[in-house]
Amino acid sequence: DAGVTQSPTHLIKTRGQHVTLRCSPISGHKSVSWYQQVLGQGPQFIFQYYEKEERGRGNFPDRFSARQFPNYSSELNVNALLLGDSALYLCASSFSVGVSGEQYFGPGTRLTVT
Amino acid sequence: GESVGLHLPTLSVQEGDNSIINCAYSNSASDYFIWYKQESGKGPQFIIDIRSNMDKRQGQRVTVLLNKTVKHLSLQIAATQPGDSAVYFCAENGKTGFQKLVFGTGTRLLVSP
Repeated sequence: DAGVTQSPTHLIKTRGQHVTLRCSPISGHKSVSWYQQVLGQGPQFIFQYYEKEERGRGNFPDRFSARQFPNYSSELNVNALLLGDSALYLCASSFSVGVSGEQYFGPGTRLTVT
Repeated sequence: GESVGLHLPTLSVQEGDNSIINCAYSNSASDYFIWYKQESGKGPQFIIDIRSNMDKRQGQRVTVLLNKTVKHLSLQIAATQPGDSAVYFCAENGKTGFQKLVFGTGTRLLVSP
């Protein structure tokens, strides 16, 4: 079975630009969460979506937004990119919405902002 | 507050040794804990989890111990192999009402043949 997939693998953007990152969850998983991982640190929670609705949001500015589609895939959008947005963006999927559901991570998208 | 690591501690072991990786979590209300392994250039890989109503759980070559009194979590890896070399993160899911994992500092495990 395919795991969580993310695209693109790598991306280079300029300050002020907009970026869209994509995630396809494991088949049958209805919950998708997004995390930002800055080099040398653990992942930081950005959003959780379940059944196309936002279920939780971390401490990130409104420049970050996301959505989930009927097929449970998801997009993360970041507007007005800053140098500090350079990071590995991880998507995780889970079958359930419960707080104790196992989350499986994709390989991530490496975003570099110059 | 949330645990954010600024420096990765490193554990160096010889192949065949047992490894113990420790983690202090921050939220006493957390009731679910997970260990992840992250290899260079990859996303975190689920290793083992434990709920707060347990103090020990075993998997294949791995054991997780939970001490809620001192908010401490440990991961024991038996007969460590070179393929175990990676960064290991503990994560907690406090009672936020949704699936928000809070990750610890991370420990780099280096296994020498």
